[in-house]
Amino acid sequence: SQTIHQWPATLVQPVGSPLSLECTVEGTSNPNLYWYRQAAGRGLQLLFYSVGIGQISSEVPQNLSASRPQDRQFILSSKKLLLSDSGFYLCAWSLLAGPYNEQFFGPGTRLTVL
Amino acid sequence: DAKTTQPPSMDCAEGRAANLPCNHSTISGNEYVYWYRQIHSQGPQYIIHGLKNNETNEMASLIITEDRKSSTLILPHATLRDTAVYYCIVRGSQGNLIFGKGTKLSVKP
Repeated sequence: SQTIHQWPATLVQPVGSPLSLECTVEGTSNPNLYWYRQAAGRGLQLLFYSVGIGQISSEVPQNLSASRPQDRQFILSSKKLLLSDSGFYLCAWSLLAGPYNEQFFGPGTRLTVL
Repeated sequence: DAKTTQPPSMDCAEGRAANLPCNHSTISGNEYVYWYRQIHSQGPQYIIHGLKNNETNEMASLIITEDRKSSTLILPHATLRDTAVYYCIVRGSQGNLIFGKGTKLSVKP
């Protein structure tokens, strides 16, 4: 069966510090991978998606970046965090083929920037 | 931007059916409607999806109007553990799910 992992579960970082959040998927190959952010009281917003190794598309301009060094690994990074980067970060995967495109979400990382 | 419209909150008595409405008037002919829910501080959980026909699984039923402009998620016997934010979603052009603010369902004893 497929599983998706995210770590860390929670993170408190000072403004201006770097960030690295990791997401890994098990039990499937060549998935679509997504990074979402949920700010307090708001719906999920798509940040990045990837259809393959080294292929990253950004949905919104920001000081965050994403990388996909391996097929089932997706990393969210920042060189310098802003207060506005606080939120709940979710990684998700879906199969490339098929009409349903059901997305499976990880447990999330709660980031607090102070 | 969300393509769906949902009431911000609803209450339901434990053991009764919870009917959660959603408007998706701009949905295109081949777009599916998905429902997810998110319990506080957890990742969204898939519930059900549909295209034209009504669907039922072990979690819920999905009723889609004939013109496909709206749908209703039905939890037949709501329990306290069904308290969550429920999202009615259509798919974006990049394959992502476009989440709005959802409906906060509170199931009360």
